[in-house]
Amino acid sequence: GPKVLQIPSHQIIDMGQMVTLNCDPVSNHLYFYWYKQILGQQMEFLVNFYNGKVMEKSKLFKDQFSVERPDGSYFTLKIQPTALEDSAVYFCASSLVGEGTEVFFGKGTRLTVV
Amino acid sequence: QQQVRQSSQSLTVWEGETAILNCSYENSAFDYFPWYQQFPGEGPALLIAIRSVSDKKEDGRFTIFFNKREKNLSLHIKDSQPGDSATYFCAASADQGGRALIFGTGTTVSVSP
Repeated sequence: GPKVLQIPSHQIIDMGQMVTLNCDPVSNHLYFYWYKQILGQQMEFLVNFYNGKVMEKSKLFKDQFSVERPDGSYFTLKIQPTALEDSAVYFCASSLVGEGTEVFFGKGTRLTVV
Repeated sequence: QQQVRQSSQSLTVWEGETAILNCSYENSAFDYFPWYQQFPGEGPALLIAIRSVSDKKEDGRFTIFFNKREKNLSLHIKDSQPGDSATYFCAASADQGGRALIFGTGTTVSVSP
């Protein structure tokens, strides 16, 4: 089936540094999402993105977070500066437009802030 | 406040039995309820989904029963197989396309041969 690719699969970064997580969504999808999962537990919505704009964001999407998708390139989540509590697995997802359309998830990027 | 709740953190069944996973929600605006299956090291994958206009959705061995009045739903996995051992997440959204999915805390199912 359609694949969402996430690069890298694992990243270790010093607290206070900047990190960029990259996502290659399914090619014809128009909605993009980031979710955060800690220790294999609950998936928590961070943000969704459509037509170059953030549509919704949760309380977890702190001011240090930003997303963008320059034309034809990766959908990125940038964290600047990172904090210890940002350690988690970050899942990118994408979907078509329309009610009930399936949201496809990538395999995640495990971020470890030390 | 947890908007989507899954009553069991873990569940063990024997091969061939029916596993029943329960989920409840708070927000009456939710009208789309997918169940996702996640294996270790993988992203969640859509298993089956239901809209609030229906009370039952079946796909092979997987069935969702939905009770709008009680704001709960359940996933039944018939004839459980060892390959069904995974974590199952109930999710919900106010489905206007592209809306946030709110996930439950997940139920880890172990199927013993």
